[in-house]
Amino acid sequence: DAGITQSPRYKITETGRQVTLMCHQTWSHSYMFWYRQDLGHGLRLIYYSAAADITDKGEVPDGYVVSRSKTENFPLTLESATRSQTSVYFCASGPGASGGPYQFFGPGTRLTVL
Amino acid sequence: QKEVEQDPGPLSVPEGAIVSLNCTYSNSAFQYFMWYRQYSRKGPELLMYTYSSGNKEDGRFTAQVDKSSKYISLFIRDSQPSDSATYLCAMSAGVGSRGSTLGRLYFGRGTQLTVWP
Repeated sequence: DAGITQSPRYKITETGRQVTLMCHQTWSHSYMFWYRQDLGHGLRLIYYSAAADITDKGEVPDGYVVSRSKTENFPLTLESATRSQTSVYFCASGPGASGGPYQFFGPGTRLTVL
Repeated sequence: QKEVEQDPGPLSVPEGAIVSLNCTYSNSAFQYFMWYRQYSRKGPELLMYTYSSGNKEDGRFTAQVDKSSKYISLFIRDSQPSDSATYLCAMSAGVGSRGSTLGRLYFGRGTQLTVWP
């Protein structure tokens, strides 16, 4: 099925552990994004990618690493998880110049760092 | 000051009411405007998409953009309990192309709407 998927949907980890959140889209969209959503802050952009092998920081990149070797995948890694990274993480993709600046969101990953 | 301001509410209205949701922004380069709807524990879904100023209607939903005032609105007519959700406005300065950074969206914090029967 076409769309955007995230895995895992729920994750509990401990402080200091490395965690990788996966994102996969089947539209061949150029742009992909990672957001975190917290009460009182709304959606905040962590990292985004305009194309394979092109990534850039968003508003809150500290403590996160991304890569994009293939157009369809955009994994987000928390190198050493902290309690402040407990959040709901959304991946999104968008067509960019080929279609418009709108984005389509995945279902989210609820991450708890103990 | 955030680039996009949106009253978080909450907003509570009876079924059948007309709902008005609004955002203001400061960046005059924004020219693409969107509204997203987010149900509880779900990802945001694109509801309306407009370019530049003017109105766009889709069923019970109308999006308005006033670039001179840097103000956008979403109207929901004949509101239903199924419209209960958080509504986020979003905007962009450009479409973006491969390697461009113009594809970013700037979001409001969202307005929580409850429509009671």
